[in-house]
Amino acid sequence: EPEVTQTPSHQVTQMGQEVILRCVPISNHLYFYWYRQILGQKVEFLVSFYNNEISEKSEIFDDQFSVERPDGSNFTLKIRSTKLEDSAMYFCASSPERDYEQYFGPGTRLTVT
Amino acid sequence: LAKTTQPISMDSYEGQEVNITCSHNNIATNDYITWYQQFPSQGPRFIIQGYKTKVTNEVASLFIPADRKSSTLSLPRVSLSDTAVYYCLVGPPHGSGNTGKLIFGQGTTLQVKP
Repeated sequence: EPEVTQTPSHQVTQMGQEVILRCVPISNHLYFYWYRQILGQKVEFLVSFYNNEISEKSEIFDDQFSVERPDGSNFTLKIRSTKLEDSAMYFCASSPERDYEQYFGPGTRLTVT
Repeated sequence: LAKTTQPISMDSYEGQEVNITCSHNNIATNDYITWYQQFPSQGPRFIIQGYKTKVTNEVASLFIPADRKSSTLSLPRVSLSDTAVYYCLVGPPHGSGNTGKLIFGQGTTLQVKP
């Protein structure tokens, strides 16, 4: 069964550093999402991406965040200058259509020290 | 978006049927009820979705009364591997707005004991 993959599984970085989280969505999917989950809290929407552009972003997704689909398979989330409060689990998700269930990856645990 | 209320946690034993109820008093006419499951250290996973009455798949059943102000996710004969957080989402089918973003609440942590 096709699945969303994410790398790395765990990323440790120092405050102020740039990080890139990588995702490979399911191959025929057209809608892509990033969510995050701070430890012990709920899953929060960050951004949606369709047709090579951001469709919607949340208040969390400020100028420090960016997304890119550099080729036909990868979907990345970049945090330019990490802060301690960026420590969280980041999930990538994809769906074949807007009104279809989303398939989530296993997540990348980001730890900012 | 309709606000949802579900128990924070529930305990059960292996082999029992588990029913998790979600209240959504201000559900809109076009809203669907969707349940996602999240195992520890994994991403959420779609379980089931319904609009009214009863929906059943290989994993669970979803019961929605006529007034649609609540819904119940039923997990038959749970096992230890069903220990997870279960989220009730109410809104357009598979997401809100023009982009289908999912809005999660706190969910119900189900602990299945041997």
